[in-house]
Order: sequence, then structure tokens, then C-alpha cells
Amino acid sequence: DIQMTQSPSSLSASVGDRVTISCQASQDIRYFLNWHQQKSGKGPKVLIYDASSLQTGVPTRFGGSGSGTNFTLTIFSLQPEDIATYYCQQYHKLPLSFGGGTKVEI
Amino acid sequence: EVQLVESGGGLVQPGRSLRLSCAASGFSFDDYSMHWVRQAPGKGLEWVSGINWNGGTLDYADSVKGRFTISRDNAKSSLYLQMNSLRAEDMAFYYCVKDRAGTLHGAMDVWGQGTTVTVSS
Repeated sequence: DIQMTQSPSSLSASVGDRVTISCQASQDIRYFLNWHQQKSGKGPKVLIYDASSLQTGVPTRFGGSGSGTNFTLTIFSLQPEDIATYYCQQYHKLPLSFGGGTKVEI
Repeated sequence: EVQLVESGGGLVQPGRSLRLSCAASGFSFDDYSMHWVRQAPGKGLEWVSGINWNGGTLDYADSVKGRFTISRDNAKSSLYLQMNSLRAEDMAFYYCVKDRAGTLHGAMDVWGQGTTVTVSS
């Protein structure tokens, strides 16, 4: 099974800061990676698919990069509404697997 | 607008069964694979099961294999999860999730709001 490791597990930043979250796969997953955002008390929402493609309706301050085993989610200018937990998820092989999550606070 | 509405959650005793449902609308349900993902209280996300567009390909997490059964009724645009022999560790919020593809790939793109399963005596 493919293990997904995220870092950091939590971070605190200021409004307007650039925020970077890392995700590492235990084996090559090519570009088969989603990033999901989950706000407190809500269901998750897909932000990025295929490692770098922005889901329709997602603000352009979110960006994804990487391939193989190392991936990054960037929030280019953090906004108050971005307070959430972010998860990476691989879909290269079943069983699907998620990273442990990164909680972003202001 | 794509909508996924889960139902069927509730309080159940250990060892008993529960059936979750997910009503889909806003897209051609029979064109896409679907998944169940769960989240235990205060924990991260765990994929539970997936089914391809016609129900011909199924897969399960090891933690539920042999106890849970995923199914779908394309005529009713509905997804189901039959959960048997429930354990305390199955207690979680259960989400219905749409895939981007008809094949069982895992490129999730829309989540439901979830339904809560509580396992307790």
C-alpha cells in the first residue's frame, strides 16, 4: 500500500503570507494526487487534482506542484477563509490513501 | 449542481448492522465511479470502499473487507454501504464521494456532507 506523509502537521501564518504544505508518497505516484480542504464541521472539498490542476471555482491563490513522490500545495496569499485542514490523497493505486492532514491557522 | 446526500447513519450496538445510502443528483450518475470515505472523531480521512460505474469492479480497505459491502442502483442514482459486524473503531463520519472517471480510479472530485455512525452499547 502507498503511504502518504504530510508536513507540517500544523502551521500558523499571517494574512497575506505565502504558505507551503508538503506531501510525500512512499512510492512513485506520477501525478495522481488530489489536495482536499476541510473547514471545521464541514465535509472536505477538492482544491487540486492531477497534482497541479485547479478544481473549478477554486481561487487562483491556491496552487499545486510536484510529481513522482514529492508534492506541494501553496497558498500564495493566505486569507482568513483559508483556515482549514488540508489533505493530500493519492489515486495511483488502490487502496486509495490520504496524508495525515495539515491544520492551517492564522 | 452536483449534490450528494448521505443518510442512514445513527446509533448502533457493536456487532449489529447498518446501511448507508447516498442520493446523487446534478450529473449522470451511471457514468462515474463512487466511493465511501470515513473520518473518525478528531482523526484524518480514510478511504473505505469504491465501486465503478456499473458495479462490476469493487474494492475495500482491509479494515472493512468481509464486513462491508458497497453497491449502487443506477436507476435510482443511489450509492449504498451495507455495514455488518460493526465495531467501535467503525464509529465515524461517512462521506459519499464522486469520482472523475467511470473506471475505479480514485480521482475524487465532489464530496457529500456526510452521515454519522455511532457504535456503542
